[in-house]
Amino acid sequence: AQSVTQLDSQVPVFEEAPVELRCNYSSSVSVYLFWYVQYPNQGLQLLLKYLSGSTLVKGINGFEAEFNKSQTSFHLRKPSVHISDTAEYFCAVSDPSGTYKYIFGTGTRLKVLA
Amino acid sequence: DSGVTQTPKHLITATGQRVTLRCSPRSGDLSVYWYQQSLDQGLQFLIQYYNGEERAKGNILERFSAQQFPDLHSELNLSSLELGDSALYFCASSVTGTENSPLHFGNGTRLTVT
Repeated sequence: AQSVTQLDSQVPVFEEAPVELRCNYSSSVSVYLFWYVQYPNQGLQLLLKYLSGSTLVKGINGFEAEFNKSQTSFHLRKPSVHISDTAEYFCAVSDPSGTYKYIFGTGTRLKVLA
Repeated sequence: DSGVTQTPKHLITATGQRVTLRCSPRSGDLSVYWYQQSLDQGLQFLIQYYNGEERAKGNILERFSAQQFPDLHSELNLSSLELGDSALYFCASSVTGTENSPLHFGNGTRLTVT
């Protein structure tokens, strides 16, 4: 079965430092990939998506992610984080053939320290 | 604000009872998804509707049912509630309901079963 792995459950990082949140998926076929962010007491918001084309995808709030087909990864990066980036981040994969709907990873809690 | 409205925000009820969660999708979105978020199982896909018809089913228990009405709002009915049903229930909507169409989430309904 299709799965999404977010290896890090928590990532602490100091303000203005760079951060990378890791996401790996299990699939040998084409996929659509998404990153969502969840702030406390809120629903998930779309950060960015990869559907096709350029493997480097830019999203909102200065985040970007790189699709790596050979490593089946879609890591999220930001060169300089702010306190306001403290939130939970979810990676999700979707199958273009419609075999399965959005499968979410277990989330990574990013804590930005002053 | 995602434009997806979920009511109520909080629900406390006893085991064995039945509750109804309501979702109004974003204006123009034809598809509605229901997800359950719990600490131990992460974000689990329950069911999807498109323009009133069921499109996909995930890990939805037989005690749970849902429907999408002609005005596109959706309701998730949970019956014979058990302590383990305590969770955050999210509704999400998308324009086309296809796998490349990003989801827009509501703020969720927090269900507590005592």
